[in-house]
Amino acid sequence: KAGVTQTPRYLIKTRGQQVTLSCSPISGHRSVSWYQQTPGQGLQFLFEYFSETQRNKGNFPGRFSGRQFSNSRSEMNVSTLELGDSALYLCASSLELAGQETQYFGPGTRLLVL
Amino acid sequence: AQKITQTQPGMFVQEKEAVTLDCTYDTSDQSYGLFWYKQPSSGEMIFLIYQGSYDEQNATEGRYSLNFQKARKSANLVISASQLGDSAMYFCAMREGLAGSSNTGKLIFGQGTTLQVKP
Repeated sequence: KAGVTQTPRYLIKTRGQQVTLSCSPISGHRSVSWYQQTPGQGLQFLFEYFSETQRNKGNFPGRFSGRQFSNSRSEMNVSTLELGDSALYLCASSLELAGQETQYFGPGTRLLVL
Repeated sequence: AQKITQTQPGMFVQEKEAVTLDCTYDTSDQSYGLFWYKQPSSGEMIFLIYQGSYDEQNATEGRYSLNFQKARKSANLVISASQLGDSAMYFCAMREGLAGSSNTGKLIFGQGTTLQVKP
């Protein structure tokens, strides 16, 4: 079974631009979660989608948004990029069934904002 | 309040020896799950092992075992017979509640421990 895939793997943007990152979950997984990883703040939860609905949201400004499609693929968007948005963005998918809550991560997208 | 604490920023271990990575957690939920992930320099988070709060036995997965002490709120990872490929960052994470709960899909991570295996 193919793992979680994320595109693009690397991205360079300038301040003020916007960016869209994509995540394809493991086949059959309906939950997709997004995380931001920085050296200073560590790994922080952004949001989680299940069946095209956002079920949980972390403490990030409204510039960070996401969505999920009917095939469970998810995108996250960051508008008006700031230097501090430079990070590794990880997405994870899970079955979200009792006893099968393990999240499996993709390789991440490294975003550099100049 | 920090909910996952990993007190060892960095550790060294000799190849073929066992090593324990510490993790303590804080939660008021009765139902929760504890996870360990490995992150090599490539960045991908690799799932290692899971322990549910109601599991009475310590979880084991090959060379990985989780020393779960519920009363002390600790979930230490034990790696037996270390290999050079074990050199990586290791994260302890917690999920409060079970599938379908209000915290669904949210993992809280510790700051990580960098493990270096020496030949």
